[in-house]
Amino acid sequence: AQTVTQSQPEMSVQEAETVTLSCTYDTSENNYYLFWYKQPPSRQMILVIRQEAYKQQNATENRFSVNFQKAAKSFSLKISDSQLGDTAMYFCAFIRPNSGNTPLVFGKGTRLSVIA
Amino acid sequence: EADIYQTPRYLVIGTGKKITLECSQTMGHDKMYWYQQDPGMELHLIHYSYGVNSTEKGDLSSESTVSRIRTEHFPLTLESARPSHTSQYLCASSERGGGPDTQYFGPGTRLTVL
Repeated sequence: AQTVTQSQPEMSVQEAETVTLSCTYDTSENNYYLFWYKQPPSRQMILVIRQEAYKQQNATENRFSVNFQKAAKSFSLKISDSQLGDTAMYFCAFIRPNSGNTPLVFGKGTRLSVIA
Repeated sequence: EADIYQTPRYLVIGTGKKITLECSQTMGHDKMYWYQQDPGMELHLIHYSYGVNSTEKGDLSSESTVSRIRTEHFPLTLESARPSHTSQYLCASSERGGGPDTQYFGPGTRLTVL
């Protein structure tokens, strides 16, 4: 079974600084997708960024980028120029494509606080 | 924000009541999901559906039931609510297919059972 581990329950960062959230996963599959989701306080969960395992290039989305290390099964999220609006729970998630009835697997989340 | 809706947003009820949490999406997605989010914010999948008339139980044992009679609608029902059901419930949907299966989430229903 696939598992996703987020080893940092809570983190904090000063506004305008850079922070990296860790995620490791366990799978025997070669092709899969990885995601970072963000859940701001009392607001909807939204997708931040996604990575396809067969792509060597790390995904980027404005101030958000990932460091995907396939051999190490690591998928960290880097947030540059942190803003107060980045304060949220961040969830790492994994899925195999064409996985039939196997849903997305989420980590337990990292609570990020951006401090002014 | 995605076109997925949950009602009510907040609900406080007494023990033993029957309740239905509503979830609707206007994106035509085949797949829909219900998650229970504990106070530590961890997500637990309790039900999912891959299309009309298809429902499956998730990883977390739940006393709730679901139905999927229409593509856009995936209600969750508790026949007899108990204080242990107090939680945040999130609904999500995604497209069927071989793609990245991005899930879109609703705003959640915060349920309190007294």
